[in-house]
Amino acid sequence: AQSVSQHNHHVILSEAASLELGCNYSYGGTVNLFWYVQYPGQHLQLLLKYFSGDPLVKGIKGFEAEFIKSKFSFNLRKPSVQWSDTAEYFCAVKGSGANNLFFGTGTRLTVIP
Amino acid sequence: EAGVAQSPRYKIIEKRQSVAFWCNPISGHATLYWYQQILGQGPKLLIQFQNNGVVDDSQLPKDRFSAERLKGVDSTLKIQPAKLEDSAVYLCASSLESGALYGYTFGSGTRLTVV
Repeated sequence: AQSVSQHNHHVILSEAASLELGCNYSYGGTVNLFWYVQYPGQHLQLLLKYFSGDPLVKGIKGFEAEFIKSKFSFNLRKPSVQWSDTAEYFCAVKGSGANNLFFGTGTRLTVIP
Repeated sequence: EAGVAQSPRYKIIEKRQSVAFWCNPISGHATLYWYQQILGQGPKLLIQFQNNGVVDDSQLPKDRFSAERLKGVDSTLKIQPAKLEDSAVYLCASSLESGALYGYTFGSGTRLTVV
């Protein structure tokens, strides 16, 4: 069975601070990994995804994530956050034998101007 | 392109009543998903359709939840009778194919409150 852990439930940062949100997954085979963002009052949007190749994936709005297979991790990073990054961030995994995405519990990011 | 449309946006019902949600996926998307998102949790898959056939409904509480996707386009999710613990946001998503190669496109969801 696949599972996803996001250990940070709520992160509060000042503008221009660096961001790293943790994501660890559990699955024995090949995985596809995703980060979604949900801005207040809006629907879930895809930030970035990893399928294969370069483990450092760049997404929209300056976000990137690094797949570290040995650590079963796919942490999300951004060097300098903005107030507009305030949102909830979800990590999701799709195992090679699965039909659909399995989501973590989410991390709420609050950026203080 | 138009997004995934869901209605209604909000619904408040009393326990034991019935409720239905509607979803119209992106045109051409063969795969449609219904997720339940309880406050403070991540989305949890309820059911997945490929065209008008069910691919996965293992997490759907079939004694009270039902879903259909007639003609392989729009879909309805029904709860009858509703319980207090069904209070959640019900998300519909669609993708071009079941492999989710391009990720899902989500609708805005329907927020259900059962009182």
